[in-house]
Amino acid sequence: KQEVTQIPAALSVPEGENLVLNCSFTDSAIYNLQWFRQDPGKGLTSLLLIQSSQREQTSGRLNASLDKSSGRSTLYIAASQPGDSATYLCALKSAGTYKYIFGTGTRLKVLA
Amino acid sequence: DTGVSQDPRHKITKRGQNVTFRCDPISEHNRLYWYRQTLGQGPEFLTYFQNEAQLEKSRLLSDRFSAERPKGSFSTLEIQRTEQGDSAMYLCASSLEGGRGAMNTEAFFGQGTRLTVV
Repeated sequence: KQEVTQIPAALSVPEGENLVLNCSFTDSAIYNLQWFRQDPGKGLTSLLLIQSSQREQTSGRLNASLDKSSGRSTLYIAASQPGDSATYLCALKSAGTYKYIFGTGTRLKVLA
Repeated sequence: DTGVSQDPRHKITKRGQNVTFRCDPISEHNRLYWYRQTLGQGPEFLTYFQNEAQLEKSRLLSDRFSAERPKGSFSTLEIQRTEQGDSAMYLCASSLEGGRGAMNTEAFFGQGTRLTVV
């Protein structure tokens, strides 16, 4: 059974810092992995999608990497801003299933 | 297209009442998902549709829950005889899957319906 874990559960950093959020999974047979952002009481906003054949994806100040052999993905946020404060969720689609399995998220607070 | 739309955004109901939520996916997206999210947790899968066919249901989806997607367009999720434990955010997502890269397309989520059972 696929399990997805995100560490740390919460993170507080001063503005301008570069930071890394971690996502680990137990079964490397995945189709893709997607990172989402969720603001309090809101839905999910897609940030980056990494296909199983890819190693990384970049969008603006965000870079996501995927290492299936070690069961890990990281989301790198450069030059963090207070507007980046949110919960970041990773979700993956395992081979043989059509559903996305989510981690519990990392609550990020960027201090001005 | 304005993305995935969910209605209502908030619903407060008394225990024992029935509630129905609606989800309008992105046009031409053939796959539609329902998830439930409680405070501090990641979303949990409930069910998904490929066009009008409901292909998988989670064990979380008790017999009080039913979902439909008539004509493969919008979807409804109904909860009968609501219980306080049903209080959660109900999220809908859609994606376009099939053809090349069939399993590798991006999922888009709506803003959710927050249900409070009192």
